[in-house]
Amino acid sequence: DAKTTQPPSMDCAEGRAANLPCNHSTISGNEYVYWYRQIHSQGPQYIIHGLKNNETNEMASLIITEDRKSSTLILPHATLRDTAVYYCIVRVLYGNKLVFGAGTILRVKS
Amino acid sequence: NAGVTQTPKFRILKIGQSMTLQCTQDMNHNYMYWYRQDPGMGLKLIYYSVGAGITDKGEVPNGYNVSRSTTEDFPLRLELAAPSQTSVYFCASSYGPALDTQYFGPGTRLTVL
Repeated sequence: DAKTTQPPSMDCAEGRAANLPCNHSTISGNEYVYWYRQIHSQGPQYIIHGLKNNETNEMASLIITEDRKSSTLILPHATLRDTAVYYCIVRVLYGNKLVFGAGTILRVKS
Repeated sequence: NAGVTQTPKFRILKIGQSMTLQCTQDMNHNYMYWYRQDPGMGLKLIYYSVGAGITDKGEVPNGYNVSRSTTEDFPLRLELAAPSQTSVYFCASSYGPALDTQYFGPGTRLTVL
């Protein structure tokens, strides 16, 4: 599975959009980009995933560059409850093992 | 529908003791996993199972054993606890191997002294 690079931490004002970047320059054609988050002391929570096209659900949007070497997770209106560690993960289609890196600590401030 | 449940929530062990971390899911998922998370680090896969009777090693299996006799349960066994096994342990499950999300339990915080 390809490795990912994320900034160690980011701050965001409450009510503003939070844009979390992820680099995955060695991603293969059959690897998907997944995002999870972990709120303090809880288990990781699935957010969104995608292959090539941009994706949106009730939690977030995922923007994947055309060359697929990087992506951005967008939380459109961040709240204090979105403060968490956000993990960007790439994984093969039929490999079900998720390899978690260190992630990005997002701090949403009022 | 409780999802993934883990017991106990907290445990302190002495070096050399053994224990079993319990994990149960009620979603009829075929795949189950055990991860450990050390302070300030990401999750590392210990063992996983693709169905009852089938288990395989993950990234850090040494010092642990697992079994999968039913679809619902996936216990993790520590035979000779060591301080290096102090960590938070997460169990997870998913329905299938492709494009499926993993659902995580609340975790077990284990301290070995």
